Amino acid sequence: GQNIDQPTEMTATEGAIVQINCTYQTSGFNGLFWYQQHAGEAPTFLSYNVLDGLEEKGRFSSFLSRSKGYSYLLLKELQMKDSASYLCAVLDSNYQLIWGAGTKLIIKP
Amino acid sequence: GAVVSQHPSWVICKSGTSVKIECRSLDFQATTMFWYRQFPKQSLMLMATSNEGSKATYEQGVEKDKFLINHASLTLSTLTVTSAHPEDSSFYICSATPGTGHQPQHFGDGTRLSIL
Repeated sequence: GQNIDQPTEMTATEGAIVQINCTYQTSGFNGLFWYQQHAGEAPTFLSYNVLDGLEEKGRFSSFLSRSKGYSYLLLKELQMKDSASYLCAVLDSNYQLIWGAGTKLIIKP
Repeated sequence: GAVVSQHPSWVICKSGTSVKIECRSLDFQATTMFWYRQFPKQSLMLMATSNEGSKATYEQGVEKDKFLINHASLTLSTLTVTSAHPEDSSFYICSATPGTGHQPQHFGDGTRLSIL
């Protein structure tokens, strides 16, 4: 079956760095997406990785290792507004998006 | 770019009412649109995938006669919840993609449906 694992919840301190991991087992791979979802709102697109390596976009970076079936989202200089759920999603061989359950990130002052 | 508009954002209605939700891609042509449902503190659940001009593909366990999907144009898809009941109360979210597989899905703001 297809499976995406990410921690249910993480806590970090304002101004710090946090890394949210995602491991996947899917039938084929055509890329991995990270989305941010604030409570009561729809998800917003953060990043897309299809090749191995690190993609940096401001305070957020996303890393992919296809051989390990592994990705992480790195958030630097955390702000209170970064409190949200972070969703990992993989595009499988049929271009179907497989969603993880999301990681709820709690930022403390 | 890649703006998706969803309307209405909030609906409260009596049991037995049918409710229509619209999803529009404002600045791109959406070959494929997706409808999701999300219960409180739970993950997104894909309900159906719709391609312009063809019948929607429903996920297992989703009643196609209860959740009617129409994707009549490249910029508009509608979801109609027929004869809604309290258990249908949920957060319904649409997303759209230009159609090439590597493009991210862009989400509407969601519709919060409450059935009394």
